[in-house]
Amino acid sequence: ETGVTQTPRHLVMGMTNKKSLKCEQHLGHNAMYWYKQSAKKPLELMFVYNFKEQTENNSVPSRFSPECPNSSHLFLHLHTLQPEDSALYLCASSQTGGGVKETQYFGPGTRLLVL
Amino acid sequence: GESVGLHLPTLSVQEGDNSIINCAYSNSASDYFIWYKQESGKGPQFIIDIRSNMDKRQGQRVTVLLNKTVKHLSLQIAATQPGDSAVYFCAEKETSGSRLTFGEGTQLTVNP
Repeated sequence: ETGVTQTPRHLVMGMTNKKSLKCEQHLGHNAMYWYKQSAKKPLELMFVYNFKEQTENNSVPSRFSPECPNSSHLFLHLHTLQPEDSALYLCASSQTGGGVKETQYFGPGTRLLVL
Repeated sequence: GESVGLHLPTLSVQEGDNSIINCAYSNSASDYFIWYKQESGKGPQFIIDIRSNMDKRQGQRVTVLLNKTVKHLSLQIAATQPGDSAVYFCAEKETSGSRLTFGEGTQLTVNP
């Protein structure tokens, strides 16, 4: 266990559905991240939150909407997705600032299938 | 067994052999590097890291080597075991910001 949990682990949704992915970190970190992992492609950074404030949106379509109510929780709200959005969605957290190494620790991911 | 950068995404070795997984990076401003291991159905797991002021760092059965001159990073796994079978990613980070840039990954298969 890395101290980062994600739910659900698997999700199947239609293109007209609305669903949310949840991430929780128990490491006391101040930064959280959403990544998309598609087959045979490098991890793609989607969003970065530092101290609950969004600091990066990596040109992600508006059908993906992140929410970070506090430093320990991160959500990814999904609506009107496309089949090409099917992928593994990974959450990560790290401690930033103060000269620390800023290693990112990942959750197990949510395997999403859009039909 | 040894992989070569991003053009050989698979590496197959015999149990007990040493494995070398390579990674080339392009950003001269990167000063922190991490190796991750990702098993099937799981998220990436931190293995070992190295700062740019070092050229070698050892962990338990793993060693990371950094050659800043040619922008090359390698992960050496001693006495490879079946449990080491996974995809291995390198990641780099600049001093400023928190963004990690990941390589494509190398699939390591350990044959018994």
